[in-house]
Amino acid sequence: DTGVSQNPRHKITKRGQNVTFRCDPISEHNRLYWYRQTLGQGPEFLTYFQNEAQLEKSRLLSDRFSAERPKGSFSTLEIQRTEQGDSAMYLCASSLPGSPSYEQYFGPGTRLTVT
Amino acid sequence: GQQLNQSPQSMFIQEGEDVSMNCTSSSIFNTWLWYKQDPGEGPVLLIALYKAGELTSNGRLTAQFGITRKDSFLNISASIPSDVGIYFCAGQTGNEKLTFGTGTRLTIIP
Repeated sequence: DTGVSQNPRHKITKRGQNVTFRCDPISEHNRLYWYRQTLGQGPEFLTYFQNEAQLEKSRLLSDRFSAERPKGSFSTLEIQRTEQGDSAMYLCASSLPGSPSYEQYFGPGTRLTVT
Repeated sequence: GQQLNQSPQSMFIQEGEDVSMNCTSSSIFNTWLWYKQDPGEGPVLLIALYKAGELTSNGRLTAQFGITRKDSFLNISASIPSDVGIYFCAGQTGNEKLTFGTGTRLTIIP
């Protein structure tokens, strides 16, 4: 399968614990995006990378959140001191820039439950 | 964060019926995308639109990029059971973040 992959698919953690999610984009896609989706809502943008450079961060990305893409391939999203409000689906997407193709392709997501 | 307005919020139709849904924004976008999401999965790209006024088809799906660049429409013809799911529109400026709509939930009544 050559699509976007995310691990783990599900994570249950206790409030106050740290969690880390991984995203592997489609091969050769140099842009990678993180979104968060809460129940009944559309995905909301968190941050994105072009290669290893983090180019934009949303106000939703509090200082407890950090994302990295050290070698310009896979990316990790870490949440420190998790809170119940962090419970959501975390989605990763990748794209290959170049007119006219700006489409973003999503992975299956990681569902986080904070108890 | 900002979410685009989609209508209707939900639709209950019979198999074989045609479906129409739309998405509106207060902001202009350069690209409109339509996604379908099944429970517990990520959104799957259906159609991408790049020019104001553009009409694009993908099988039984047809989407249009509004002339004002602030809206888009998706039509599904002759619905089948696998069309069930949540449909999201998304607007994009450049090759950056997507701003998603609130979603339209499609249910097919047997």
